[in-house]
Amino acid sequence: DTGVSQNPRHKITKRGQNVTFRCDPISEHNRLYWYRQTLGQGPEFLTYFQNEAQLEKSRLLSDRFSAERPKGSFSTLEIQRTEQGDSAMYLCASSLASYRSSGNTIYFGEGSWLTVV
Amino acid sequence: KNEVEQSPQNLTAQEGEFITINCSYSVGISALHWLQQHPGGGIVSLFMLSSGKKKHGRLIATINIQEKHSSLHITASHPRDSAVYICAVSLYNTDKLIFGTGTRLQVFP
Repeated sequence: DTGVSQNPRHKITKRGQNVTFRCDPISEHNRLYWYRQTLGQGPEFLTYFQNEAQLEKSRLLSDRFSAERPKGSFSTLEIQRTEQGDSAMYLCASSLASYRSSGNTIYFGEGSWLTVV
Repeated sequence: KNEVEQSPQNLTAQEGEFITINCSYSVGISALHWLQQHPGGGIVSLFMLSSGKKKHGRLIATINIQEKHSSLHITASHPRDSAVYICAVSLYNTDKLIFGTGTRLQVFP
């Protein structure tokens, strides 16, 4: 099963350190999304790629956050100078947008849990 | 006010009960999604609908576009249905999702 894969699944880091998460979408999917979810809340949108182009970034994505999707395949989400408030689960999702620009089935990864101590 | 509202936030049921979770939204959408999230994080898509009604096993989802309202029904609930159920909507021209806060369901034997 080649679903959406995220690594690492869990990361504990000290405040001020940098962390990087990786997402491997379903291979033919051209859209990739990053969301953040804190305990008891629904996920919140962070950023979205269509192929290698980053088309939208949320205001939640401060300048300490950067995401890339080189070559339109896997994506990385880097958080620099982590703060305790960054502790959350970071979810990746992908979809295939073909003839329809929206309303496509979305597939989620298992999420990457970040704890900043 | 959140763009996607769910109710109830928490729901407990006895095995076999019929369960309804409601979702209202205030934005124009291309589709509405019902998702299931188990402890540990992974999210599974249950339904994607833009009109009418869909059924999969014991799960039924309906949507009323005019009223901007959707319901997820679980018939003959089972303890394995215990999870968080999340309503999310996708906006026009994108598959970006806006999520509700979820409904935590616990089904007891």
